[in-house]
Amino acid sequence: EVQLLESGGGLVQPGGSLRLSCAASGFTFGSEAMSWVRQAPGEGLEWVSGISASGAGTYYTDSVKGRFTISRDNYKNTLSLQMNSLRAEDTAIYYCAKVTTRGWFFDYWGQGTLVSVSS
Amino acid sequence: DIQMTQSPSSVSASVGDRVTITCRASQGISSSLAWYQQKPGKAPKFLIYAASSLQGGVPSRFSGSGSGTDFTLTISSLQPEDFATYYCQQGNSFPLTFGGGTKVEI
Repeated sequence: EVQLLESGGGLVQPGGSLRLSCAASGFTFGSEAMSWVRQAPGEGLEWVSGISASGAGTYYTDSVKGRFTISRDNYKNTLSLQMNSLRAEDTAIYYCAKVTTRGWFFDYWGQGTLVSVSS
Repeated sequence: DIQMTQSPSSVSASVGDRVTITCRASQGISSSLAWYQQKPGKAPKFLIYAASSLQGGVPSRFSGSGSGTDFTLTISSLQPEDFATYYCQQGNSFPLTFGGGTKVEI
């Protein structure tokens, strides 16, 4: 059974940093691309970042480029998102999602971790 | 960036109704489109990929169609558990983008 378990969310002041982690199990983690998707309170889904299976390819939405860094450890089956220079508009539930083998779609999702950016 | 526009933003329906949701891409994306269902407080659920392929375990009352810029999600006979918000998503190019969502309510 595929399981994705996010951690690391919390309350942070504007300009601060936070590191999210996603522990994956139930599939061959090193063979699958992964992504982070977020959802602001009461809003729709927004793709944030993606990473190829090997980690060689990384992709970001424009609003987080230069501030967020996605990475993975294929030995520890862990996906990470380092978030710096956080802004109020980054407040959201952050989901870890597994990318399908049929394209950049998301077939499994974690339960999400809440990031709140406020003074 | 490719913009994804869903319509309607909400629809009121009854059990047994046929419901159709539309998703339009701002430029052609071939068949690189997925649909998700999200219930309050839950993570999204993957329903359809490549515009019309049903993910395993998804009931056959769900179907998708379209290519290029215009796509539809159809629920042939709405069931009580189908009341939720539905999102389309393009996988053709980065940044990946979602539609704004369609809430299916009673």
